[in-house]
Amino acid sequence: DTGVSQDPRHKITKRGQNVTFRCDPISEHNRLYWYRQTLGQGPEFLTYFQNEAQLEKSRLLSDRFSAERPKGSFSTLEIQRTEQGDSAMYLCASSDGPNNEQFFGPGTRLTVL
Amino acid sequence: QKEVEQNSGPLSVPEGAIASLNCTYSDRVSQSFFWYRQYSGKSPELIMSIYSNGDKEDGRFTAQLNKASQYVSLLIRDSQPSDSATYLCAVNADRLFLEGGSQGNLIFGKGTKLSVKP
Repeated sequence: DTGVSQDPRHKITKRGQNVTFRCDPISEHNRLYWYRQTLGQGPEFLTYFQNEAQLEKSRLLSDRFSAERPKGSFSTLEIQRTEQGDSAMYLCASSDGPNNEQFFGPGTRLTVL
Repeated sequence: QKEVEQNSGPLSVPEGAIASLNCTYSDRVSQSFFWYRQYSGKSPELIMSIYSNGDKEDGRFTAQLNKASQYVSLLIRDSQPSDSATYLCAVNADRLFLEGGSQGNLIFGKGTKLSVKP
């Protein structure tokens, strides 16, 4: 399977704990995006990378959130001191080429108790 | 604030009918438009992209774009129960397309839930 992969698929944590998610984009895709989706809403943009450079961060991305893409391949999204409001599906997408068609991974569903 | 608006539905059509899904967007300079299908509990799946005014057909799907009216639609012909899902409209937010290619995040609508009844 050469699609976008994400790990873990599900994460249950207690409020105040730190969590880290991983995304592996489609091979050779140089752009990688993180989105968050809650029930009944469309995905909301968090941040994106072109190769290893983080080019944009949403105002939704509080100081508790950090993302990296150290070698321009996989990316990690860390949430520190989780809150119940962080419960959501965290989606990763990748793209390449001029039309920016973005392909999503299966997502990581986070539940904060 | 750039926005993408969709009727949340649910839209219910009988099997074999045409389902028509609509979307409006606020940013007049947007150039790239996408339709995603999302089954319950799953991630969005890209089904159509459109960049120029007019119609684009792919199998049973037709995307229609009218930039003057800031309107994009998706028609599904011969609807099947397996088409029952939420359809998300997305617009490219980045203006870098002017410099030779789109990138940047997509802005999504809330989605329209489609139900195809056997």
